[in-house]
Amino acid sequence: DAMVIQNPRYQVTQFGKPVTLSCSQTLNHNVMYWYQQKSSQAPKLLFHYYDKDFNNEADTPDNFQSRRPNTSFCFLDIRSPGLGDAAMYLCATSRDVGGAKNIQYFGAGTRLSVL
Amino acid sequence: DAKTTQPPSMDCAEGRAANLPCNHSTISGNEYVYWYRQIHSQGPQYIIHGLKNNETNEMASLIITEDRKSSTLILPHATLRDTAVYYCIVSPYTGTASKLTFGTGTRLQVTL
Repeated sequence: DAMVIQNPRYQVTQFGKPVTLSCSQTLNHNVMYWYQQKSSQAPKLLFHYYDKDFNNEADTPDNFQSRRPNTSFCFLDIRSPGLGDAAMYLCATSRDVGGAKNIQYFGAGTRLSVL
Repeated sequence: DAKTTQPPSMDCAEGRAANLPCNHSTISGNEYVYWYRQIHSQGPQYIIHGLKNNETNEMASLIITEDRKSSTLILPHATLRDTAVYYCIVSPYTGTASKLTFGTGTRLQVTL
């Protein structure tokens, strides 16, 4: 029973063509995160939402945007994908912050290819 | 942010205990130690976390030294399905979320 669901699992887009990745959760968690993981590298946090409050990491490119229309859904928008944006994109949730409440549950990821 | 140091790779025979070390010498008093693992082509999976006491759950045990500068994750009876990259993460409380800053991790290979 998947609790954090990412669609699609594989996404192919063209250079410069906007693309949206989606994430949904059945855990009713307050916090949702987006990570980027390039080949053979560790996941890197792009941004997160605490409820409706958006928190961007300082080094996240402006090309990456996010929307959270309600508790269950969160979207990652890449406005003009470049070849360097090809990666696995991971969505995660946590109930809240601090200690055990910050345990993060990850989806299976969306692997993005840019042609 | 406190940083962690882990060996890049380790091998373990199936059925034996796997002991994965982690150094976090600059950890602050309110920072937790978390362990996650990532099996190939899957999202990371939470294993265990602790503040200063040793912890045990159905997956693993976490031993934290008294000075909190290092810890060891113990998988008591490793199986082939435990082959994965294991990440030791020290997480600060930042007000709206506790970030997970993944390091390079330890690639554990469990063999027959």
